[in-house]
Amino acid sequence: GEDVEQSLFLSVREGDSSVINCTYTDSSSTYLYWYKQEPGAGLQLLTYIFSNMDMKQDQRLTVLLNKKDKHLSLRIADTQTGDSAIYFCAEKKHSNYQLIWGAGTKLIIKP
Amino acid sequence: GAGVSQSPSNKVTEKGKDVELRCDPISGHTALYWYRQSLGQGLEFLIYFQGNSAPDKSGLPSDRFSAERTGGSVSTLTIQRTQQEDSAVYLCASSLSQATGANVLTFGAGSRLTVL
Repeated sequence: GEDVEQSLFLSVREGDSSVINCTYTDSSSTYLYWYKQEPGAGLQLLTYIFSNMDMKQDQRLTVLLNKKDKHLSLRIADTQTGDSAIYFCAEKKHSNYQLIWGAGTKLIIKP
Repeated sequence: GAGVSQSPSNKVTEKGKDVELRCDPISGHTALYWYRQSLGQGLEFLIYFQGNSAPDKSGLPSDRFSAERTGGSVSTLTIQRTQQEDSAVYLCASSLSQATGANVLTFGAGSRLTVL
């Protein structure tokens, strides 16, 4: 079946790295995404990775994909208070417009 | 437009009333999605429009919910005889609908519906 799972909460200290994890079940996924939702706002694309890649880096963000284990992670270096948000993982299958969404991980920053 | 625009941003209504939520997608985006996000929950798919094709209505929770997309652009989500459990944020997203590409969705800010 189709399922994307994430932990509901992650708490980190300001300045530390945050690692948000996601697992999915569909091995035919072609693209995997990370979206960010700040309070009272819609979702904003952070980054996405094609399934034939195992890593993608963009400034403070590093995405790691382990296709064998169907595991995706988002690492945020030097976490700041502005990173407080809910982070959603999503997957897309080949030749399908639909995205399958995780429930979101709320990132809490401790001073 | 520059982004996906949704209106109203907030709507408070009484149980039993009908409401209409509007979404104006990015110009040129042929795909349009409606999602529902209840407090503290993830995204619940409602309906998907792709060009002139028949919409995918498989996520609509009951026959009180309907949506249309006129002229391949603006979409309206209508909820009839609202119930308290309909209270949620309704999110609209649009994309270039790349079935084989990355199909990046751009979201609006949402319409928060409160049913008293």
